[in-house]
Amino acid sequence: GAGVSQSPSNKVTEKGKDVELRCDPISGHTALYWYRQSLGQGLEFLIYFQGNSAPDKSGLPSDRFSAERTGGSVSTLTIQRTQQEDSAVYLCASSLGVLGGPREQYFGPGTRLTVT
Amino acid sequence: EDKVVQSPLSLVVHEGDTVTLNCSYEVTNFRSLLWYKQEKKAPTFLFMLTSSGIEKKSGRLSSILDKKELFSILNITATQTGDSAVYLCAVASGTYKYIFGTGTRLKVLA
Repeated sequence: GAGVSQSPSNKVTEKGKDVELRCDPISGHTALYWYRQSLGQGLEFLIYFQGNSAPDKSGLPSDRFSAERTGGSVSTLTIQRTQQEDSAVYLCASSLGVLGGPREQYFGPGTRLTVT
Repeated sequence: EDKVVQSPLSLVVHEGDTVTLNCSYEVTNFRSLLWYKQEKKAPTFLFMLTSSGIEKKSGRLSSILDKKELFSILNITATQTGDSAVYLCAVASGTYKYIFGTGTRLKVLA
C-alpha cells in the first residue's frame, strides 16, 4: 500500500517568506508526527496529532511554527517569516493509534528546506 | 532530561565485517526501544524491543535490549555496501513520545 508522502521534496525560499509543508499519512494511521532533522543531528520532535485530540505542540521551536491536521488525515506544517536556522529536513511520520503503547512509526521521504 | 546516546558516531568497515552499534538511554517512563535505518531521508523501521534479553533477528541484523543497564545493541554480520546508512535509535516514552539519538553513520567499503 501507499506509504507516507510529503511535498514538496525540496524547497528553497528567501529569508522572511512563509512556507507550507504537506504530509499525507498512511490510510488508517491515526497518529501523526512532525520532526526536524538538522545536518548531522538526530530527529527533533515538533508536534504530534492523535485522532481528534488536541495536538501536543510542545516541540514547536517558536510561534512562527504552526501545524494543522484536517479531517484526521493530511497535515500541513507552516513556518512564517523563515529564518536561516530553519533550514533542515522536515520529516513526517504516522503510526497506528497509541492504544496499548507506542507503535513503530513510518516516515515520509521528508522535505529539505533551504532558507537563503 | 531524557536522552538517548549512540556510539560510535561513525564507523568505516569492509564488506564481510561484523559491526556492533550501541544505544544507551536515560528516559523516564520507558515503553520500548526502536532501531531505524536512514539511507537518504526517510528512516525505515528495523526493530522494536520491549523486553530485556530477547533477541530480535532479521536476516543479518539482530538486536537486544538490556533494561537493567539501559542500553541496546544492533549487530550486523557479514556487512554489505548496501548496509551503509545512518542507524537511529529511538526510545518511546509514555504514550506517544519518541526520543531519538543522533545516529551512527556506517560506511561499508567494497
